[in-house]
This record gives sequence, C-alpha cells and structure tokens, in this order.
Amino acid sequence: AQSVTQLGSHVSVSEGALVLLRCNYSSSVPPYLFWYVQYPNQGLQLLLKYTSAATLVKGINGFEAEFKKSETSFHLTKPSAHMSDAAEYFCAVARSGGYQKVTFGIGTKLQVIP
Amino acid sequence: GAVVSQHPSWVICKSGTSVKIECRSLDFQATTMFWYRQFPKQSLMLMATSNEGSKATYEQGVEKDKFLINHASLTLSTLTVTSAHPEDSSFYICSAAAGTGSGNTIYFGEGSWLTVV
Repeated sequence: AQSVTQLGSHVSVSEGALVLLRCNYSSSVPPYLFWYVQYPNQGLQLLLKYTSAATLVKGINGFEAEFKKSETSFHLTKPSAHMSDAAEYFCAVARSGGYQKVTFGIGTKLQVIP
Repeated sequence: GAVVSQHPSWVICKSGTSVKIECRSLDFQATTMFWYRQFPKQSLMLMATSNEGSKATYEQGVEKDKFLINHASLTLSTLTVTSAHPEDSSFYICSAAAGTGSGNTIYFGEGSWLTVV
C-alpha cells in the first residue's frame, strides 16, 4: 500500500519569499515520488521526480525537492516565489520499477501575494 | 518531449446520453494508460488502468459498465461515460507511461471537463 499526505491544503507566501510545500509518503517498497503542478482549468505538468538516484532533485521553474527516507518526506521548495507560481501542487507516489498505480495527495493550493 | 493529448477538452451532454473521451500518446507507444477523475477541490482518483489489447482493470468502486474503457492501439485509449448523469460531471484526465524502469516518465493529458445537464 502507498499513500501521500500533503500538509496544508492552502499555502500563502509573499512574492520573493521561500516556498515550502510539504509531502510525506508511506510505501511498503522503495517509492518513486513526484510533484505535479496544475494551473487553473489545465491538466497536470510534471515538476520533478525522484527515482532512487540523487536524493536532491531539481525540477522545472526553479523548484527542487529532497527525498529523506528517515523522515519519509519529499518536500518541495523554491527559494523565491513568483506570481506565476500560483497554482495547485500535487505530490504523488508510485512503486519503484513500475507505474501501475500513482497515488496522489490531496493537493496544496499555493497563493502568491504581491 | 512525449505528449499525451485528450479530446475533447470540454464537453456538455444531456443526462442519459453517452460521451466518449479520447487519450492519445502522440510520439510514443503506451501499452498502459491510466484514467483519473478529479472532483472540484479534490485530488485525482485513479479510476482504471487501460491495457492495450486486453480488458481494463478498474479500481474498487468504479462501475465498469458505466465507464467503458477501450485501448485498441498502442497510442489510443478511450473512456466512454454511458448514460451520463449530473453526478458524473467531473474533470477526467488520462496518463501514459513512456519508457521503462527508472527512465520511465508519466505524462498526463490536458484533461477533459465533462458537464452533464
């Protein structure tokens, strides 16, 4: 069984401030972990993924996430928020070596305040 | 890069009618595609796994007779919502896996908004 928990359904940050979106996972086998972004009325876009290589993963748009096995976490960060980062972010987990099922977190809506 | 395309993006249908949504992998072959639905302000819920040339695998609680899935080729899977009702109104999104092993990446379609009136 696998699951993800995203802490905070809504996060507000000021433009230029640090973005931190939290994700904790549960998986009975080594996981693959993902962060996706969804802009209003659009589909999902992959930000970054962890697939058992480097624990610090860099993605698009300046985002990165660090896989911490001891904390079962995969938090998403960005040093400086931009207005265009306002969107909904989903953390997801899948079994390593296969993509039979991807389980999504409930999502975190990021608001960027000018 | 790999692209997954869905059609239509928006569809309105009358209650009791059926509507078909297509999911295409444009530049790669996908033996497996996945169908999700997303209710407003909620996460994506996996409905079924679509397997090329065989029957789809449905998640618990998903009515297979209502949500017909056909994966006739390596680049096309279709979801047909039969006898649609207003409660079927949702955002339906498909995904497909390109590659194998650690190089595998899942690509999502743009999604299809279904409104049943």
